[in-house]
Amino acid sequence: DSGVTQTPKHLITATGQRVTLRCSPRSGDLSVYWYQQSLDQGLQFLIQYYNGEERAKGNILERFSAQQFPDLHSELNLSSLELGDSALYFCASSVAGETADNEQFFGPGTRLTVL
Amino acid sequence: AQKVTQAQTEISVVEKEDVTLDCVYETRDTTYYLFWYKQPPSGELVFLIRRNSFDEQNEISGRYSWNFQKSTSSFNFTITASQVVDSAVYFCALSEAGGSQGNLIFGKGTKLSVKP
Repeated sequence: DSGVTQTPKHLITATGQRVTLRCSPRSGDLSVYWYQQSLDQGLQFLIQYYNGEERAKGNILERFSAQQFPDLHSELNLSSLELGDSALYFCASSVAGETADNEQFFGPGTRLTVL
Repeated sequence: AQKVTQAQTEISVVEKEDVTLDCVYETRDTTYYLFWYKQPPSGELVFLIRRNSFDEQNEISGRYSWNFQKSTSSFNFTITASQVVDSAVYFCALSEAGGSQGNLIFGKGTKLSVKP
């Protein structure tokens, strides 16, 4: 158990809908990262927050947004869902946000299925 | 541009065989970090090792060992005397110090099947 929690574990929804994925980092970790794992794209970095502020952006679609709250939990919002958004979404956390040398601990993931 | 290549898509071995998973990376940074993660069938990502670009010393942890060679931009992972529980997808990843503040760039993964 990495100490990172993600809810829900599974989510099934329809095209055009909007969903929110939730992540609670390990105690003491200030950085939260979101990754998407799909069959065709593999594991891709989406976005990073550090202590409530957006720190880095990867291949995140404009239909997707995220935020980190004062209690450091984070939410990833996916809207106008398409079939291709079906994937496993991972949240990871780390202590720092300033350097590359910090181990990221991954949550169990949320499996999103868009029908 | 940064990139991680795991050329072996799938490997199948019989229990107790040794197996090496290859990882080749590309980066322009002089300071970077390399990682290996394991994703068992249950789906979670388990951290295995982190290595920085200034430390080319090989590492051994039980049945696992890692060979980092900057000259060939490779960071290979060997499992000695493989076991069925080693069956998983293994990902190599790169993080650049000068890049997007530590996000991980993953390879496509190598699926290892260890048969009894």
